[in-house]
Amino acid sequence: GAGVSQSPSNKVTEKGKDVELRCDPISGHTALYWYRQSLGQGLEFLIYFQGNSAPDKSGLPSDRFSAERTGGSVSTLTIQRTQQEDSAVYLCASSSLTSGGWASAFFGQGTRLTVV
Amino acid sequence: KQEVTQIPAALSVPEGENLVLNCSFTDSAIYNLQWFRQDPGKGLTSLLLIQSSQREQTSGRLNASLDKSSGRSTLYIAASQPGDSATYLCAVRDGGSNYKLTFGKGTLLTVNP
Repeated sequence: GAGVSQSPSNKVTEKGKDVELRCDPISGHTALYWYRQSLGQGLEFLIYFQGNSAPDKSGLPSDRFSAERTGGSVSTLTIQRTQQEDSAVYLCASSSLTSGGWASAFFGQGTRLTVV
Repeated sequence: KQEVTQIPAALSVPEGENLVLNCSFTDSAIYNLQWFRQDPGKGLTSLLLIQSSQREQTSGRLNASLDKSSGRSTLYIAASQPGDSATYLCAVRDGGSNYKLTFGKGTLLTVNP
């Protein structure tokens, strides 16, 4: 597709269940970011993938959170044993490195996660 | 650790006014700076990207400036319209080997007809 695609767009889950959120970046983009946005808050950095380098996981809030990026393309963010405080919009972005340097980051529409 | 601050947190203006949104960052060793717009319940839309070597970028009624040495950027919106109402977010991409994007908390703009 032409843009960053995230699925599902909405997810309601019971406390204690595991969830997987998917991000399809723009084709050819080597950088992929995950952010979390709680109601009325700014964007909280979670994790950053760049090419074949080790990901920057410094923003993951706990060991219940993990993310993978397979084949340098699709990424999955997994939250285990979900808690109510995990309720938020999870946003994915991708970006490319061109001959002119890093280009703009483009965001998906997000996945709204509600833990009940 | 990079920190990005946006002032004001909220702004309400009558239609037609020119306005300025401010963004400051603590570590001036940035690669570039990007301004985004976020409508309620939506993702982020990129508005302008300024590379660290540039001083400003313009798109239509929007003009973004960058003073890297002082750690500041401004977004100028000319002749504001009700359709400009949204949250405006500033993000810096760090330099060096870590190109992480760090966001401010945004400015909520309301343009009244």
